[in-house]
Amino acid sequence: DTGVSQDPRHKITKRGQNVTFRCDPISEHNRLYWYRQTLGQGPEFLTYFQNEAQLEKSRLLSDRFSAERPKGSFSTLEIQRTEQGDSAMYLCASSELSGIDRETQYFGPGTRLLVL
Amino acid sequence: TQLLEQSPQFLSIQEGENLTVYCNSSSVFSSLQWYRQEPGEGPVLLVTVVTGGEVKKLKRLTFQFGDARKDSSLHITAAQPGDTGLYLCESQGGSEKLVFGKGTKLTVNP
Repeated sequence: DTGVSQDPRHKITKRGQNVTFRCDPISEHNRLYWYRQTLGQGPEFLTYFQNEAQLEKSRLLSDRFSAERPKGSFSTLEIQRTEQGDSAMYLCASSELSGIDRETQYFGPGTRLLVL
Repeated sequence: TQLLEQSPQFLSIQEGENLTVYCNSSSVFSSLQWYRQEPGEGPVLLVTVVTGGEVKKLKRLTFQFGDARKDSSLHITAAQPGDTGLYLCESQGGSEKLVFGKGTKLTVNP
């Protein structure tokens, strides 16, 4: 399977702990995106990378959140000092910048985080 | 930021019935995409509509883009339990990020 993969699929943690999620995009895709989805809502944009450069960050991405894509391939999203409000599904998507107006983003299965 | 309003929020129907869900905005869409998301999974792209008045068909699903490119609809004919899921509309929000509606949660009962 050469789709977007995310690890872990589920994470339960206690408030105040740090967590890290990993996303492996489709191999030839140079863009990688992180979204957060809470119950009853559509996905909300957090940040995106083009190769290893982080080009845009949402206001939703507080100082406790950090994302990296060190070699322009996989990416990690870390949440420090987790809060109960961080409980959500964290989705990763990747796309290939092709010069055409509209690129298609392919989503991974998500990591569901529960902060107790 | 462009806001996408989806209706209805919830829809529960019997197998074999037809249904239509809607996506509206006060702004003009440059393009619009529809996704289906099953519980515990990421969204899967169904279709992209670009041209005002465009109609696209995907088996029993018919997607329509309004002439003014400010609204779109998804019609499902003879719904099946496998159509159950969260249907999301999405448009690019003036940058590379995607802006999603809240979705319509569809349940098709056998």
